[in-house]
Amino acid sequence: KNQVEQSPQSLIILEGKNCTLQCNYTVSPFSNLRWYKQDTGRGPVSLTIMTFSENTKSNGRYTATLDADTKQSSLHITASQLSDSASYICVVSDRGSTLGRLYFGRGTQLTVWP
Amino acid sequence: EADIYQTPRYLVIGTGKKITLECSQTMGHDKMYWYQQDPGMELHLIHYSYGVNSTEKGDLSSESTVSRIRTEHFPLTLESARPSHTSQYLCASSGSGLSTDTQYFGPGTRLTVL
Repeated sequence: KNQVEQSPQSLIILEGKNCTLQCNYTVSPFSNLRWYKQDTGRGPVSLTIMTFSENTKSNGRYTATLDADTKQSSLHITASQLSDSASYICVVSDRGSTLGRLYFGRGTQLTVWP
Repeated sequence: EADIYQTPRYLVIGTGKKITLECSQTMGHDKMYWYQQDPGMELHLIHYSYGVNSTEKGDLSSESTVSRIRTEHFPLTLESARPSHTSQYLCASSGSGLSTDTQYFGPGTRLTVL
């Protein structure tokens, strides 16, 4: 069964600290992996996208890694800010159809305290 | 910020009412999607469309229906709302071509059925 598991479920850190969120997946065949940020009451916004051949990608203070062999990805947030408080969702796409079906994790709820 | 809009943002209605959730995008995207998301849970695809006059059911069974008469417009209708329909509904769109196209999400409609 194709699945996407994220950990931790929730995380609280102090402003300025770094953190790493994890994503394990069993989706096959694999096309790409995205990290989305979803603010409370809003729709998800794409942060990064990585294909099979990419193992790291950065977007400002966000750095995503991908190990396609172990089917693991991580999202590292550097020097956290209050505005980083949100749910971070890992999304994996398969190559099974022209639609590029997406499999969503449940997200990690990050709270940044001042 | 993506040019995809949803109205209303919040809706509280009584059981048995007919409702239509609106979704419009100005990016000229061919593909559009409706997702259902409960708190702390992953997004579930309930409907999608490849283009005008194309609609398909998603992974999660839903009593709602959709239509795609114009490229930019993808409304979702519930003929008779029930408390089990209480959820957040997210609309998204993506360009045609490779499955790596990023989906852009609207802000969502939070529906409460009493």
